[in-house]
Amino acid sequence: GEDVEQSLFLSVREGDSSVINCTYTDSSSTYLYWYKQEPGAGLQLLTYIFSNMDMKQDQRLTVLLNKKDKHLSLRIADTQTGDSAIYFCAEGGTGGYQKVTFGTGTKLQVIP
Amino acid sequence: DGGITQSPKYLFRKEGQNVTLSCEQNLNHDAMYWYRQDPGQGLRLIYYSQIVNDFQKGDIAEGYSVSREKKESFPLTVTSAQKNPTAFYLCASSIFGLAGNNEQFFGPGTRLTVL
Repeated sequence: GEDVEQSLFLSVREGDSSVINCTYTDSSSTYLYWYKQEPGAGLQLLTYIFSNMDMKQDQRLTVLLNKKDKHLSLRIADTQTGDSAIYFCAEGGTGGYQKVTFGTGTKLQVIP
Repeated sequence: DGGITQSPKYLFRKEGQNVTLSCEQNLNHDAMYWYRQDPGQGLRLIYYSQIVNDFQKGDIAEGYSVSREKKESFPLTVTSAQKNPTAFYLCASSIFGLAGNNEQFFGPGTRLTVL
């Protein structure tokens, strides 16, 4: 079945860039997503990338997709304390039901 | 404002009791989902529904039940058959569950604790 893996924890200093990595197994994935979860809250979509793209930039966020290696990354430039949260990678497969499989989440800690 | 609401925010259950978690959306979305979140395990799909009066089991449906009588509502019942129900439960919806960008919108979650 589909599997999405992330490292559990990342710590960065305020003002530095953060890079959160994700690997997935379903080569037929058409959309890949990054969600953010703040403590005690639901998930909020940050950005997504279509599988025929290599890169997508949205203000401080840059998503890189290496489809050959099934590797997705999220770069946050000029990381702020408000970026402290859990970040989930997710992949959407093809087929009649567009199931979305979520990774384990990476907890980002921003040190002032 | 459009969105998804879940209630209650915190729920305590005694062993052997059934409890029902509420999920309501006013986004006019066809598809709705229930996920369970445990520390270090990410989100696991319990049930999903693509249309009113239809729903399908997800990866961990045992011990749970759902109904979808109205487009706006997708309540989840945690039954006494669920052996380890303490977790954070998230409801989500999307425009549709078929091929395409399945961006999901999430509610704020319900934290269930078994005493």
